[in-house]
Amino acid sequence: QKEVEQNSGPLSVPEGAIASLNCTYSDRGSQSFFWYRQYSGKSPELIMFIYSNGDKEDGRFTAQLNKASQYVSLLIRDSQPSDSATYLCAVGQGGFKTIFGAGTRLFVKA
Amino acid sequence: EPEVTQTPSHQVTQMGQEVILRCVPISNHLYFYWYRQILGQKVEFLVSFYNNEISEKSEIFDDQFSVERPDGSNFTLKIRSTKLEDSAMYFCASADWEVTYTQYFGPGTRLTVL
Repeated sequence: QKEVEQNSGPLSVPEGAIASLNCTYSDRGSQSFFWYRQYSGKSPELIMFIYSNGDKEDGRFTAQLNKASQYVSLLIRDSQPSDSATYLCAVGQGGFKTIFGAGTRLFVKA
Repeated sequence: EPEVTQTPSHQVTQMGQEVILRCVPISNHLYFYWYRQILGQKVEFLVSFYNNEISEKSEIFDDQFSVERPDGSNFTLKIRSTKLEDSAMYFCASADWEVTYTQYFGPGTRLTVL
C-alpha cells in the first residue's frame, strides 16, 4: 500500500514565527510532490509543487524535498493567522494518480 | 483566472438512486480527476482520465462508478445505486501536466445519501 504520512497536529505557532510541516512517503518511484492548503469545508488549494531534490522558495513558503529519505517539508515564514488551515502533502505517481496525506492542522496564534 | 467548476454544490439522494456529478475543467487542460473526501478524513483518489479514457483508478472506483466526457467541456462522475457510505465531498480536478504538472481543484459537490 503506497502511503503518505503526516503528523495530524495541531501545530500551534505564534504569529510571525516559522511553521514547519513534514511529510514522508513510501513509494520510491514517486515523481512529483505537492503542498495544498485546505480550509474547513473548502477544496484543496495548491501552494507549491516540487520535483527535484533541494529547496524551492515562493514568497513566504519554502518546500524541501529529499528523495533519498523520502521526505518532503514545507516551511511557512512570518506565519499569519490567515495561514491557519489544514496542510495536505500530496505525492504524484506517474502523473495519473496522486496520493494525499491526511493533513496537518496548523493554528497561528495572533 | 480560469477555474474548475462543479455542479451541484450539494446533492441529496436516497440510497439506491443514481447520481451524476458534473465538472467543467479548465479549458486548456487535458487531464481530469475525481477525488472524494469523507467528512474528517483524507482526500482519496478515485480516477484519472486522459484522451477520452480512464488512465488509472483506485480500488474505490468499482463497477458502481463511471466517468464520462460527454462533450468538449464537461466531465461527469456517475454513481449507480448509491450507498450510505458514498456520502462525501467529491472534488473534480484538472491539470495540463506538460506545463505545470499541477492539479487544480473545483469547489466540490457534497453528496448526502439518506
